[in-house]
Amino acid sequence: GENVEQHPSTLSVQEGDSAVIKCTYSDSASNYFPWYKQELGKRPQLIIDIRSNVGEKKDQRIAVTLNKTAKHFSLHITETQPEDSAVYFCAAIKGTYKYIFGTGTRLKVLA
Amino acid sequence: DAGVTQSPTHLIKTRGQQVTLRCSPKSGHDTVSWYQQALGQGPQFIFQYYEEEERQRGNFPDRFSGHQFPNYSSELNVNALLLGDSALYLCASSLAREVDFGPGTRLTVT
Repeated sequence: GENVEQHPSTLSVQEGDSAVIKCTYSDSASNYFPWYKQELGKRPQLIIDIRSNVGEKKDQRIAVTLNKTAKHFSLHITETQPEDSAVYFCAAIKGTYKYIFGTGTRLKVLA
Repeated sequence: DAGVTQSPTHLIKTRGQQVTLRCSPKSGHDTVSWYQQALGQGPQFIFQYYEEEERQRGNFPDRFSGHQFPNYSSELNVNALLLGDSALYLCASSLAREVDFGPGTRLTVT
């Protein structure tokens, strides 16, 4: 069935260091991969996304890479700041916007 | 534009009761999806409505049902509530690839 695995479940980094979160999807027909940031008690917010015809996308300190052959994609945050602390979710989508979410990564940036 | 709105914000129910959650999509969006997010977990897809019909459904029992109205707003109904139904229920509206999440309704079943 459709599944998205996300690792690690928790991640602690020192301020200024980089953080990497990885996801693996099962449905090879998935063609859109967004990443969401969810702060405590708030709704998920889209932070970056990538489509299957692109291998990498960058937006300031955030980048996402996609390996279609291996069916995995990763979120990279450089120069982390305390305000980056949140839960991050990946998702894989095929067709009509049914999002299959990963289980989430709780990122803590230590000042 | 108010974006996606949901009501109520919080709700406490007793086992066996029924509950109705409401969602108003972002202006211009025609599709509404519902998700259940248990504490510490990722959102799980419940179902999606488009043109007032259920278009897709996740792995949830028939106790979970929904409706979409002509103005694209939607309701999620859960019957015979179980303790395990306690979660944050998120509504997401969309048009093409544009997707927005609502703030969620926190349901607690005691």
